Amino acid sequence: KNEVEQSPQNLTAQEGEFITINCSYSVGISALHWLQQHPGGGIVSLFMLSSGKKKHGRLIATINIQEKHSSLHITASHPRDSAVYICAVKEKGANSKLTFGKGITLSVRP
Amino acid sequence: NAGVTQTPKFQVLKTGQSMTLQCAQDMNHEYMSWYRQDPGMGLRLIHYSVGAGITDQGEVPNGYNVSRSTTEDFPLRLLSAAPSQTSVYFCASSWLGMNTEAFFGQGTRLTVV
Repeated sequence: KNEVEQSPQNLTAQEGEFITINCSYSVGISALHWLQQHPGGGIVSLFMLSSGKKKHGRLIATINIQEKHSSLHITASHPRDSAVYICAVKEKGANSKLTFGKGITLSVRP
Repeated sequence: NAGVTQTPKFQVLKTGQSMTLQCAQDMNHEYMSWYRQDPGMGLRLIHYSVGAGITDQGEVPNGYNVSRSTTEDFPLRLLSAAPSQTSVYFCASSWLGMNTEAFFGQGTRLTVV
């Protein structure tokens, strides 16, 4: 069974700080998703990666397929970045099924 | 461009009552799925569908039924609600295939008393 582990468990940062959230998984995958969930809100897809690196605004996502590891970086963090960040992976041959990590709660203080 | 629409947003049920959570998508996605989100746990798959007329069980299917009569709609039925089904439920849709983005509904917060 694929295990998806996220670290750190919870994270508090000061506005402007550079933030890194990590995700590791145990079996081969075809794609990895980074998702964002604001308190009481829905889930929004930030990135889908199968290799390399993607950037959108202040967010950067990287993946190392050989090491089974991905990172989500937030540059110049802002209080509006406060949310739960969820990593989800699609196993090879698993059609469209996703396995989710527990999520990291990020709080950015002004 | 509605995306994935879930209703209701909040619901309180008494133990033993039944109800249906609605999910509709307007993107013509083949794959639709239902998850529950509980504190301290990742989202867990309840049921999924790869197309109209085709459904299958996920990780935690007990106590739930689904049907997929059209591409657009994928309702989740709670047959006889139990307090253990208190959770936040999410519907999602995507194209079939390896590298496709998943779209999620806004969630339904269900409390069973």
